This record gives sequence, structure tokens and C-alpha cells, in this order.
Amino acid sequence: GENVEQHPSTLSVQEGDSAVIKCTYSDSASNYFPWYKQELGKGPQLIIDIRSNVGEKKDQRIAVTLNKTAKHFSLHITETQPEDSAVYFCAALRRDSNYQLIWGAGTKLIIKP
Amino acid sequence: NAGVTQTPKFQVLKTGQSMTLQCAQDMNHNSMYWYRQDPGMGLRLIYYSASEGTTDKGEVPNGYNVSRLNKREFSLRLESAAPSQTSVYFCASSPSSAAYEQYFGPGTRLTVT
Repeated sequence: GENVEQHPSTLSVQEGDSAVIKCTYSDSASNYFPWYKQELGKGPQLIIDIRSNVGEKKDQRIAVTLNKTAKHFSLHITETQPEDSAVYFCAALRRDSNYQLIWGAGTKLIIKP
Repeated sequence: NAGVTQTPKFQVLKTGQSMTLQCAQDMNHNSMYWYRQDPGMGLRLIYYSASEGTTDKGEVPNGYNVSRLNKREFSLRLESAAPSQTSVYFCASSPSSAAYEQYFGPGTRLTVT
């Protein structure tokens, strides 16, 4: 079946350094890939998304890259800050339903002071 | 705007009991969603409503029912709770006619003993 694999499950970086989280999807027809940030005790919040007709998208310190040939996409966070500590989820839209996302298992990002 | 609200925040049920989780959004969004989140598994879609008056099954609908009462409210009912339904439940809404840009509620932590 369709699935999204996310790595690593935990990532610890020094404050100020960059963090990269990678996801691989199985359905080559998927065309929408969002990233959500979940802080402790809260619901996920969309931080950036990308569609399949674009290779890269940036928003201040956050960027997402998409490699359709290899079927993977990555979240890049530069100049990490303590408030970046959270769990990050990637997802891919199912090709047979515009309403169903397939989610990765999440990456716990820890920013060390 | 309150965004997406969910009640209750916490609930403990005994096996076989029933309950309804309530969700409301004040953003005039068309589509609404119910997810469950289990450790290490990301989010899984239970049911969704593309618009007022319509509901459809997601990835894991067994043991649940939903009602889209009006454009604002989307409830999730457990008719006979089972320990396997112990989870954190999130409601989300989207302004689009697809699973783009979802806004999540704070979640309901449900324990079934």
C-alpha cells in the first residue's frame, strides 16, 4: 500500500546549526507534500508545503526540497533556535483522494543550547 | 477567532461504553477531518467531510461514526469503546476542497480500560 517513511526518528542539533529531515513516498502520482510541526500537548501546525511542479520552496529559515525522480522530499531548518524543538511530520496526498494524506511517523527535533 | 475547538480534552471510558467527541471551527471552512494519533505511527485518518452534509471513510473507520451537523461542527462517536481505541484524537478543518492547509484542534486524549 501507499506509505511515507520518515528519517530520522530523533534528531539532536546544536542551537544555530542546521537540521534536515527526510521523507520517502511510495506513490509516484502524489502531488502535494506538507510539513507539520507539533509542539508538546498541541495539535499539528502546517509550516510549509510543496506541490509536485516545484522543486524547492523557502520561507525564512525553513525550506523544502522535492526530488520526484527519487520520490523523496526534505525539510531544511537553518540557524536553529530553541523554539524549533518539536515533533515534525511529513505527509503526501493520496493520488486517489484529494482528502487523504499519508503521514510519516514523525521526527523529534531537539535543539541543544 | 477560536479556530478549531475540541471537547473534552481528556476522557476515560470502560470497555463497551459510548461517547461522542465534539469538534467545531469558526473559520467557515468547507472540509473537516478526524484523525487518531498513536505513538510512533503518525496520524491516521478516521473519517472526513468534504462539505456540509457529506461524510466519507478514511484509513481506519471501523468502530467509529461521524456526523457533520452543520458547516461548523463535526462529531465523532464511539458506540462501544475498545482498548484499541485508546489514542489521541484530533479534529482538523481546511478552507479548500482538499486536504491542503489543515488547521488542527488541541486534541482529545482518550483512554479505554
